[in-house]
Amino acid sequence: GQNIDQPTEMTATEGAIVQINCTYQTSGFNGLFWYQQHAGEAPTFLSYNVLDGLEEKGRFSSFLSRSKGYSYLLLKELQMKDSASYLCAVNPGANNLFFGTGTRLTVIP
Amino acid sequence: DAGITQSPRYKITETGRQVTLMCHQTWSHSYMFWYRQDLGHGLRLIYYSAAADITDKGEVPDGYVVSRSKTENFPLTLESATRSQTSVYFCASTTSGRYNEQFFGPGTRLTVL
Repeated sequence: GQNIDQPTEMTATEGAIVQINCTYQTSGFNGLFWYQQHAGEAPTFLSYNVLDGLEEKGRFSSFLSRSKGYSYLLLKELQMKDSASYLCAVNPGANNLFFGTGTRLTVIP
Repeated sequence: DAGITQSPRYKITETGRQVTLMCHQTWSHSYMFWYRQDLGHGLRLIYYSAAADITDKGEVPDGYVVSRSKTENFPLTLESATRSQTSVYFCASTTSGRYNEQFFGPGTRLTVL
């Protein structure tokens, strides 16, 4: 079976750094994705990791450890517009994705 | 316009009625997907399609039917709607291959009374 765990909610201050963790147990592994979803909107792609290590893309970075079944999304220099849900998803080997329930991030002034 | 679109965006129906949600993409992506999103469950895969005339069940397929006669269209039908099918439905598409970022449509909010 598949299981993905992420915190339900987080709050952080504008300008700060926040780390959103994701742990997974899946029957196979062909990559881990992070998506951002603003309220009432569709998810949009943020990052993809298939090898261990850190992938950096502007203010956002994503880390993967396959041996630990662990990933995190790091958001730097938080802005109010970063208030959204962040979805961790694993490709278990086919061309579909298994999603976690998401972490709702609130950025406060 | 290029991209992935869904229609209708909002739909209210009654228990027992048949409802079809439409999804159309202009990228010629081979893979298309239907998800539902509910509080506490996240996005759950209903059905997906690897190409025209090829479909497969996802995590929660019961009560749904799909077809894909053309690459660009992937309709989802609720044969006899139930209140438990009240949800937000997202269609997505991607190319085949290892790095398969999915692109999502804007969603359809369905309410079954």
